[in-house]
Order: sequence, then structure tokens, then C-alpha cells
Amino acid sequence: EAQVTQNPRYLITVTGKKLTVTCSQNMNHEYMSWYRQDPGLGLRQIYYSMNVEVTDKGDVPEGYKVSRKEKRNFPLILESPSPNQTSLYFCASEGQRGYGEQFFGPGTRLTVL
Amino acid sequence: ELKVEQNPLFLSMQEGKNYTIYCNYSTTSDRLYWYRQDPGKSLESLFVLLSNGAVKQEGRLMASLDTKARLSTLHITAAVHDLSATYFCAAKETSGSRLTFGEGTQLTVNP
Repeated sequence: EAQVTQNPRYLITVTGKKLTVTCSQNMNHEYMSWYRQDPGLGLRQIYYSMNVEVTDKGDVPEGYKVSRKEKRNFPLILESPSPNQTSLYFCASEGQRGYGEQFFGPGTRLTVL
Repeated sequence: ELKVEQNPLFLSMQEGKNYTIYCNYSTTSDRLYWYRQDPGKSLESLFVLLSNGAVKQEGRLMASLDTKARLSTLHITAAVHDLSATYFCAAKETSGSRLTFGEGTQLTVNP
């Protein structure tokens, strides 16, 4: 089954404690991206990757890091989380070099205390 | 900078009626996407529109794209309760890779 998986699905952490949210897809897609969804602010792109070792900033990259060492994985790293990073995070992948249908993961609800 | 605006943001309609959601974007775009999101769930891809005049239909939903007017529409025909959800449009700049979402339209279909 074609899918995008994210882990963990829920996470409560404290300010400054480094964390990683994993994202994996099994569709051999080149394009992957991370979004955050906040009430009143909608969905905003954090980072995206066009292929292995190729990443670029989206609209709200501050406080986040990403890496793309393998085609299937695109982890999101928060080196020093802060309360304003409390949000619902989605990972997505897209084939056809960014001209295809986007498949979204189930989401990760992060709370930073 | 690409901006995407949807209207209306809230839409309450009766079953059996037709309505259209509008999505305007500010700069040239060669990819326009429509998504559906149910409460507490992830996003589901509905349509990808890649060229001027593109029209796609799935069930009671039909999406179209007018790149000259920088406008996409999502038309709902004979609405049913199961269509109640939030609908997002999103666009990528021509030859770019950054994706910008509209604010979303919260649709409620009443019996």
C-alpha cells in the first residue's frame, strides 16, 4: 500500500530538548516536504526536498532542520524546541518531479511546554 | 512572493444545492492543487491541475484552472452531507517548488 508514515504521532516535550520527527514514504517519490498547521494561520511549508541531498527552505524554516540522505526518508529536526513550535506537523511526498499528486502523512501533534 | 486566497472561508449549504469555491493566486503558477481535510485528519489530494483550461471531475466535485485569470474553482454539484469538510487550494510558482496554501474553506452541508 502506497503511504507516508510519520513518527511519533503525538509528542509532548519541554523547551530546549532536541527532537526528531521521522517521515518515510514507499512510493519512490523525489519530492518530499514538511508543513505545519496552526489555527488561524493555515498550512505553511517548512522545508522541502527535490531529491536526495537537495533541500530548500519553505515559508517558515526558522528553528527547524531537515536532511535527505535516502530517497524514502525526510526527518524533521528541532534542535531546541520552543513553545511557538507547538503545532500539527504533516509530511508529504510527491512524484513526477513535483508535478504529481501529493500524499500526506497522518500528522504529528507536537506540544512544547 | 506567491499568495493564495480562497473564498468563501465558510460555506453552509443545503443538500442538493450547487456551489463554487474560488481560489485566486498572485503570481504565475503552473501547478494548482485541491485538498480535502476532515476534522482531526490528514489532507487528502483531490485534484492536480497543470495547464490552462484544465478541468477535472471526481463524483460531485469538479475543478478547473484559468492561468490567465490566476483563478481556480472547485464546483460542488448536488451537495451531500458527506462532502462536509475543509477544502484547501494550493499553488506552486512556475518552475518553483515552494507550495503555498490558501486559508481553506470550511464547508458544511445541511440536510
